[in-house]
Amino acid sequence: DAGVIQSPRHEVTEMGQEVTLRCKPISGHDYLFWYRQTMMRGLELLIYFNNNVPIDDSGMPEDRFSAKMPNASFSTLKIQPSEPRDSAVYFCASSLQGRLETQYFGPGTRLLVL
Amino acid sequence: DQQVKQNSPSLSVQEGRISILNCDYTNSMFDYFLWYKKYPAEGPTFLISISSIKDKNEDGRFTVFLNKSAKHLSLHIVPSQPGDSAVYFCAASGGGKLIFGQGTELSVKP
Repeated sequence: DAGVIQSPRHEVTEMGQEVTLRCKPISGHDYLFWYRQTMMRGLELLIYFNNNVPIDDSGMPEDRFSAKMPNASFSTLKIQPSEPRDSAVYFCASSLQGRLETQYFGPGTRLLVL
Repeated sequence: DQQVKQNSPSLSVQEGRISILNCDYTNSMFDYFLWYKKYPAEGPTFLISISSIKDKNEDGRFTVFLNKSAKHLSLHIVPSQPGDSAVYFCAASGGGKLIFGQGTELSVKP
């Protein structure tokens, strides 16, 4: 299995631009999570889906952030407009039946907003 | 407000010695705790976990201790090896989701 796939691996953009991060979960996994890693706050859960339905988006920082999961094999996290404080590493993770130990992370997308 | 805190951003240990990574939490409702390990340019990977009904769980060189009264858990690595050099995150389960700490970067020197 290829594991969780994220693209792009690196993104540099200018303030005000739209950014779209993509994730392909492990086949058969029914939970998908989006996290953000910063030095100050560590790993923060932004949103998670179960069977493509958003369950908890309380971690989404602002209305500038949105996430979708149109099917079981694809999810996007969009930031519009982007700001320098959004610079971070964004991880996608998937798991089977919500089992916490089996939450497999992708390699992350390193975002830099200038 | 950080519900899970790792107050040491970094730790340096000599190869063969014990590494002790600490984690504190504030929410007494957390019922499951996990440690993840992260290498550069990779996502975190699960390392070891412990239920709140236990105070110790061991897996090879890795042991996690839980002190519920102090709301404190620790990860012991014995003996430490250079390949253990990584960032370690503790996490607590609350409401079906994981709350992570800030991470501690462990460096094991030969």
